[in-house]
Amino acid sequence: QVQLQESGPGLVRPSETLSLTCTVSGDSVTSGNYYWSWIRQAPGKGLEWIGYIYYSGSTDYNASVNHPSLKSRVTISLDTSKNQFSLRMTSVTAADTAVYYCARDRDGYNFLYWGQGLLVTVSS
Amino acid sequence: DIQMTQSPSSLSASVGDRVTITCRASQNINSYLIWYQQKPGKAPKLLIYTASRLQSGVPSRFSGSGSGTDFTLTINGLQPEDFATYYCQQSYFTPLTFGGGTKVEIK
Repeated sequence: QVQLQESGPGLVRPSETLSLTCTVSGDSVTSGNYYWSWIRQAPGKGLEWIGYIYYSGSTDYNASVNHPSLKSRVTISLDTSKNQFSLRMTSVTAADTAVYYCARDRDGYNFLYWGQGLLVTVSS
Repeated sequence: DIQMTQSPSSLSASVGDRVTITCRASQNINSYLIWYQQKPGKAPKLLIYTASRLQSGVPSRFSGSGSGTDFTLTINGLQPEDFATYYCQQSYFTPLTFGGGTKVEIK
């Protein structure tokens, strides 16, 4: 059974870098044609896709017109030795306060397996 | 970006009711539409993929329909465990986008 678990600091100061890790069990981050994604949810708000890393290492990030700076601040990477993938987001502001989820797709751009979520608060 | 609009944003229903939630895409997404259920403090759960295919383990009272720009999630015979927030998501192309959610509450 595929399981994902987010880890990282729950508090990050404004302008600093947010770094989260997703540890995967029951599957390998390099096996199969899967997308490993990060999704966030601001308190009381809806879901926002941040980006993914494909099993091959290729990435795609949200370049939404609603958040033009998001793509330039985000990096998602794989650590195959630890069977993990990570999110790095620079220059955070209070608007980045959210529950961050890692997820794996079923077969394409959908999300079947999710971590439990990690609340990250951006505050001084 | 493809905008996803859900309606209503909330609804009140009773156990046993039939509930319908709609999702409209700002452009044609064929059948690349996903439905999720989210309960408070929990990660979303995939219910329906490719607009109408039921994910394994999801009760058959859930069904999805539609193609192009207009989609529907139907719950036939609402159960106590179905009170939650439901989200649609387009999986046509990136950036992947979600609807704003529909909260199903107890009447």
